[in-house]
Amino acid sequence: GQQVMQIPQYQHVQEGEDFTTYCNSSTTLSNIQWYKQRPGGHPVFLIQLVKSGEVKKQKRLTFQFGEAKKNSSLHITATQTTDVGTYFCAGRKNYGGSQGNLIFGKGTKLSVKP
Amino acid sequence: DGGITQSPKYLFRKEGQNVTLSCEQNLNHDAMYWYRQDPGQGLRLIYYSQIVNDFQKGDIAEGYSVSREKKESFPLTVTSAQKNPTAFYLCASSGGVEVGYTFGSGTRLTVV
Repeated sequence: GQQVMQIPQYQHVQEGEDFTTYCNSSTTLSNIQWYKQRPGGHPVFLIQLVKSGEVKKQKRLTFQFGEAKKNSSLHITATQTTDVGTYFCAGRKNYGGSQGNLIFGKGTKLSVKP
Repeated sequence: DGGITQSPKYLFRKEGQNVTLSCEQNLNHDAMYWYRQDPGQGLRLIYYSQIVNDFQKGDIAEGYSVSREKKESFPLTVTSAQKNPTAFYLCASSGGVEVGYTFGSGTRLTVV
């Protein structure tokens, strides 16, 4: 079936180090969204990228959408303990002009050692 | 404040019993979704509804049923036909394809 692959599955970093998670689709996406789920919590919407090559920033977080709209990345600069959680990408595909449901990646679980 | 309410937070049931999970939203969103989350599996779509009185099967609908009689409510029934029902269930709603999903706080179901 349709899949959005996300790597790595787990990432352990020392506080202050950078972190990146990658999302890949075999087919072109109409847009991609990113969510954060804190331990024991629920996913919270972070951002949506729509345009080819788009880059958006939220403080220490940088989100990119690939030129071919098949891949995306989330980069966190100088991680803090508050960044701990699982980060999910979710892509949406076009079906003959109408947009399908979001397809979630399996997530990258980030742990930060103080 | 607007949001999605899922209840209860924790639910225990005996094997063979049906159980219904509640999901209510006051965001005036048309679309609502049910996801199942297992460790290492990400979010898997069970059922979704784009409009009241209509719903569609997702990727793992077997053993589940839903109804959408009101815009605000999208309850999920986990039937005895679901072979492995113990999981974390998340309800979400969306106001359109240009915005993100709003998730409820989830229901952790344990079947013993």
